[in-house]
Amino acid sequence: DGGITQSPKYLFRKEGQNVTLSCEQNLNHDAMYWYRQDPGQGLRLIYYSQIVNDFQKGDIAEGYSVSREKKESFPLTVTSAQKNPTAFYLCASSKLTTVPNTEAFFGQGTRLTVV
Amino acid sequence: DQQVKQNSPSLSVQEGRISILNCDYTNSMFDYFLWYKKYPAEGPTFLISISSIKDKNEDGRFTVFLNKSAKHLSLHIVPSQPGDSAVYFCAAKSGGSYIPTFGRGTSLIVHP
Repeated sequence: DGGITQSPKYLFRKEGQNVTLSCEQNLNHDAMYWYRQDPGQGLRLIYYSQIVNDFQKGDIAEGYSVSREKKESFPLTVTSAQKNPTAFYLCASSKLTTVPNTEAFFGQGTRLTVV
Repeated sequence: DQQVKQNSPSLSVQEGRISILNCDYTNSMFDYFLWYKKYPAEGPTFLISISSIKDKNEDGRFTVFLNKSAKHLSLHIVPSQPGDSAVYFCAAKSGGSYIPTFGRGTSLIVHP
């Protein structure tokens, strides 16, 4: 079955630590995204990538970094510079097309908590 | 500035009745609109979409209406079921972009 897999489902981080969230897809999608969900804030775009070895900042990229070494993988690192990292993180992917009727597919999310 | 707005954070409906979730947008370049459904601690799943060349799209119990002049769309669920209880996100895309812009979501609770 094709889909997007995020791991771990729950992650705890001590203040000052960097942590990396995994995202893998086998949908053969070119575009991948990271969103952050906070209560009452909806889904805010952190980073996105449309091709291997290339990515762009979204609306709230500060304190985060990403890499895209393989088409299937788009890991997100939450660095110690991110002042409020506790949130629900969602990875998504889609076809890279300007044809409008294509939707993004989401993983199950990772709940990150700073302790 | 929010380009996609869902002004009702929550909605409570009786089972069997109609649920109407509203969404407004400000970017006139948006030409494709999507609704996603999200359960707690899970990723959103695609529900239904509509192109700007249409004013209605129906899929079973779900219908999306688009009023371009008012920059407004709505999702109707008829009849509502307790399993429909979830957060619903409205999203929009503009021509030439593959990245959806999301609203803040509306939490729907359907009471038995």
